[in-house]
Amino acid sequence: DTGVSQDPRHKITKRGQNVTFRCDPISEHNRLYWYRQTLGQGPEFLTYFQNEAQLEKSRLLSDRFSAERPKGSFSTLEIQRTEQGDSAMYLCASSFSTGGAEKLFFGSGTQLSVL
Amino acid sequence: DQQVKQNSPSLSVQEGRISILNCDYTNSMFDYFLWYKKYPAEGPTFLISISSIKDKNEDGRFTVFLNKSAKHLSLHIVPSQPGDSAVYFCAASAQGGSEKLVFGKGMKLTVNP
Repeated sequence: DTGVSQDPRHKITKRGQNVTFRCDPISEHNRLYWYRQTLGQGPEFLTYFQNEAQLEKSRLLSDRFSAERPKGSFSTLEIQRTEQGDSAMYLCASSFSTGGAEKLFFGSGTQLSVL
Repeated sequence: DQQVKQNSPSLSVQEGRISILNCDYTNSMFDYFLWYKKYPAEGPTFLISISSIKDKNEDGRFTVFLNKSAKHLSLHIVPSQPGDSAVYFCAASAQGGSEKLVFGKGMKLTVNP
C-alpha cells in the first residue's frame, strides 16, 4: 500500500506532556498538509509544506505546535504542553501540485486524547 | 466564519433511491470543489471534484452539480447502496490563494437496505 501513512493511530497522554506524530506521504507528492478534526466538525487546516518549506500556518496553530518536513519527505507534528482542548483527530494529507487545482489524499489519522 | 456550509447533518435514504447532498459556500474566490467520503476511524477519501468552469461532473453513480450564482453545489448518488453509508464532506479551494481545502462540517448519509 503506497497511501499516506500516519503513526501512531492512537495516542493517550496526560495534560502537560509533549506528543509527536509522524506522517509519511505518497512518495512522489510534493505537498504535505496537516489538518485537525474534532467531533461533529470538518477537517480544519493547520499547516502545509511544499517540499521541505512550510508555506502557511493557520491561526489555529498556537506556538505549542510545531511541524517539520526535513528533506521534503516525511513530516512530524509536535504538540508541547498538551491541553485537553488539543484532543482531536490529526490528519495528514499529501498531493502533487503543479500549480493548478489539486486533490488531497488523506491518511487514517492519529486520534489524540489528552486526559 | 463557516465558509463552506453543509446545513443538514444527516440524511437517510432507501437502497436504490437517489441521495442528494447539498453544500453552500460564501467565498466567491472558491473555484474548485471536492466531495470526500469518510468511514469511521479512517481518513477522508476523495470522491469527485468540479472546477468552477463547469456546472456538472459525473463519475459513475456520482454526479456533482455546481451553481456559481447561488454559491451552491450538490452531490447526487444514484442508485444509493448500503456501502455508501458514511459521512460526506464538501470542500473548496481558491486558485491563487493558498490552495488549502476548506471543509464543511459533513453530512452523515445512511442508506437502508
